[in-house]
Amino acid sequence: KNEVEQSPQNLTAQEGEFITINCSYSVGISALHWLQQHPGGGIVSLFMLSSGKKKHGRLIATINIQEKHSSLHITASHPRDSAVYICAVLSGGGADGLTFGKGTHLIIQP
Amino acid sequence: GAGVSQSPSNKVTEKGKDVELRCDPISGHTALYWYRQSLGQGLEFLIYFQGNSAPDKSGLPSDRFSAERTGGSVSTLTIQRTQQEDSAVYLCASSLANYNEQFFGPGTRLTVL
Repeated sequence: KNEVEQSPQNLTAQEGEFITINCSYSVGISALHWLQQHPGGGIVSLFMLSSGKKKHGRLIATINIQEKHSSLHITASHPRDSAVYICAVLSGGGADGLTFGKGTHLIIQP
Repeated sequence: GAGVSQSPSNKVTEKGKDVELRCDPISGHTALYWYRQSLGQGLEFLIYFQGNSAPDKSGLPSDRFSAERTGGSVSTLTIQRTQQEDSAVYLCASSLANYNEQFFGPGTRLTVL
């Protein structure tokens, strides 16, 4: 079973700061998801990646398959970025569903 | 187009009662997943459907849980003889195929009194 570790568990930063959230996993995967969940809200998929780097607006996700590590970066952070960010991995053929990290609770203060 | 929908959005039931949760995936998505989010356990995978079949049901927490999918579309998750530890948010996700990006529904919040 894949073990997914995220760090930090909690992060408070000032508006405008560059944010990095890290994720590591123990077993080879077919894909990695970064998910966002606002308080009381649903889960939104930000990225799915299996290699390299993806960028969407102020969000950047990278993955290093050899090191079994991924990072999510937020540039020019804004209070509306405050949410829980969850790393999840898909192993094998997808029949096991996603294995989730415990999430990073991000607060961006104005 | 429409996203993944789930019903009901909230369900309060008494211990020992049966409940049925419904998921309508995005049209054309062949893969469907059920997950559970609880305070103590975080997010956990329950079961996966490819079309109408579920290759592996070992993720279901107990034999009180069952799921089916008909017509390659709607899925229901049934919990029999509910217990207080079943209280959680039950999430459904669908994807075009089993290696693709998953899109999550809003969840059903189940409270067992």
